[in-house]
Amino acid sequence: RKEVEQDPGPFNVPEGATVAFNCTYSNSASQSFFWYRQDCRKEPKLLMSVYSSGNEDGRFTAQLNRASQYISLLIRDSKLSDSATYLCVVNDGSSNTGKLIFGQGTTLQVKP
Amino acid sequence: EAGVAQSPRYKIIEKRQSVAFWCNPISGHATLYWYQQILGQGPKLLIQFQNNGVVDDSQLPKDRFSAERLKGVDSTLKIQPAKLEDSAVYLCASSLLSNTEAFFGQGTRLTVV
Repeated sequence: RKEVEQDPGPFNVPEGATVAFNCTYSNSASQSFFWYRQDCRKEPKLLMSVYSSGNEDGRFTAQLNRASQYISLLIRDSKLSDSATYLCVVNDGSSNTGKLIFGQGTTLQVKP
Repeated sequence: EAGVAQSPRYKIIEKRQSVAFWCNPISGHATLYWYQQILGQGPKLLIQFQNNGVVDDSQLPKDRFSAERLKGVDSTLKIQPAKLEDSAVYLCASSLLSNTEAFFGQGTRLTVV
């Protein structure tokens, strides 16, 4: 089983739609969770951290389910500019190394 | 605040040649990462430094890849000799502490022909 798994998509949605991505992780000791956004031929950029209680930033909502070992990202009212690859990132659960492990990414294409 | 700086941006070499990449992390960031990203995949960690010590290099192909972080600041990643399958984007990232969010440089796009 991969340490961090995502559905690669692509997800093709119309403008204004709501879309959700899930990500599962294998190490129950993981403590830090993030969503990154990566545009074509660019570097990954932090979109948001994911907190235990869930958190929201404008149209974006992130949730963590420790019992089922998954995190989710919800995008409301999709914009054309949301088209990108969304990377789920989890630390490896080791207090010594704090290694950040990336999923393969989920591609979102928002259509007019 | 200056971000993570990497050079060169692009490099084309022939197989069996050697190549080196340079990274300057965000000032004050103790943790530095080198990732390899092959087209269509997520970044794969090659090596992680905490200050000038190696914390994890379990996925670094040590027969051909080497990395160092002198004085706990700048870092270089070297490949010698390069293989065709090393064609990828090499991303450097830094974070204030391990387990906190990482910030990436623009990457070096390597093509081995």
